[in-house]
Amino acid sequence: DIVMTQSPLSLSVTPGEPASISCRSSQSLLHSSGYHYLDWYLQKPGQSPQLLVYLGSKRASGVPDRFSGSGSGTDFTLKISRVEAEDVGVYYCMQGLQTPTFGGGTKVEIK
Amino acid sequence: EVQLVQSGAEVKKPGESLRLSCKGSGYDFNTYWIAWVRQMPGKGLEWMGIIYPDDSDTRYSPSFQGQVTISADKSIKTAYLQWSSLKSSDSGIYYCARHGVGCSLTGCYDLQPWGQGTLVTVSS
Repeated sequence: DIVMTQSPLSLSVTPGEPASISCRSSQSLLHSSGYHYLDWYLQKPGQSPQLLVYLGSKRASGVPDRFSGSGSGTDFTLKISRVEAEDVGVYYCMQGLQTPTFGGGTKVEIK
Repeated sequence: EVQLVQSGAEVKKPGESLRLSCKGSGYDFNTYWIAWVRQMPGKGLEWMGIIYPDDSDTRYSPSFQGQVTISADKSIKTAYLQWSSLKSSDSGIYYCARHGVGCSLTGCYDLQPWGQGTLVTVSS
């Protein structure tokens, strides 16, 4: 299995400030298509997860442009340019190159 | 609107059987892989397996192979997750979600939308 490791475990952010979450995979996630099979999801409190970013850097439909995904190989980052109160929840990365596996999650709260 | 609607919460005893359902609407149900994802109480997400409703091709995570059965009835646009003998460790929330059009045997990504989740409680 490809192991996904996220950091930090939790993050407390002042509204309007940026935030960054790291996700590292135990193997390269580069697919033969040239894309990295890495997604980011947000699970808001009491809700189902929702897709934020897919293929490493493509924002899902309806996702605000303050969210951006980047990275290559085994190292990926989700950045929130200006955190808003509605961004609280647990963020997960997921690799889909082999049997999909999720990272352990990063909890984001507002200061 | 593309939507997945799951069956309601279940309370079961160890050893009992159970089948959860996930009904799709708003898209061609037959031609998108449907995944099942487990979330144990207070824990993270675990991908269990997928099914392609058109031909019922099914793939399991090694962690769940032999523990659950995934099936689908394309005539009623519904996918299922079932257990023949529940354990207390099967308690949790189970989500179905649709993989994107790019999902293939060489990789899958893009899980959206997600169902609302089904809470399963297994207790004697």
